Amino acid sequence: QSALTQPASVSGSPGQSITISCTGSSSDVGGYNYVSWYQQHPGKAPKLMIYEVSNRPSGVSDRFSGSKSGNTASLTISGLQAEDEADYYCASYTSRSTVIFGGGTKLTVL
Amino acid sequence: EVQLLESGGGLVQPGGSLRLSCAASGFTFSGYAMNWVRQAPGKGLEWVSVFHSGVGSTYYADPVKGRFTVSRDNSKNMVFLQMNSLRAEDTAVYYCAKGRYSSSWVFDSWGQGTLVTVSS
Repeated sequence: QSALTQPASVSGSPGQSITISCTGSSSDVGGYNYVSWYQQHPGKAPKLMIYEVSNRPSGVSDRFSGSKSGNTASLTISGLQAEDEADYYCASYTSRSTVIFGGGTKLTVL
Repeated sequence: EVQLLESGGGLVQPGGSLRLSCAASGFTFSGYAMNWVRQAPGKGLEWVSVFHSGVGSTYYADPVKGRFTVSRDNSKNMVFLQMNSLRAEDTAVYYCAKGRYSSSWVFDSWGQGTLVTVSS
């Protein structure tokens, strides 16, 4: 099963908003509300940012939000800060009782 | 505070075996799903396996099915990954990740990872 499709890179200036898309199929993203997003800084373990499409774990800034339309999920980061520069991965439960990740998106804060 | 500490990584020859361990603390281990997720050098994340608590269901990604086995010892708060018939493409940092609940597919806490290198 191929990875979910994410843009390889996105960039924005401090204070701006950016959106990262994550496209799958009706067998994963479109079929279930089990999309999650992870942030990974270089050399560090990933961190859960959004789960079940739009829920934020405690301690995650409300500048991070998630949504889904059809087979595409999105992560929006508002009020960009330098510390947001990292790799971001989406993940989804699939109809085969597995989890599939996106290829990852490198966010650069200009 | 949730803590996950992986161990058991190292260099192994193709066709060899390795057993990874993950020691958990800071939560009621028996009540949560436990996952393994890997990341090849310079590459993205890849889910490997999950052991759901309660019913005890296990699931595997296609590339490792039949070669890897996940198990857990709730009395010791540990989860394991037995890896057999290792291939070069299994080279990666292996992360232990806690599920958000007993049968969760969401990874809400992660260890720091252990590096597995498969090479002759």
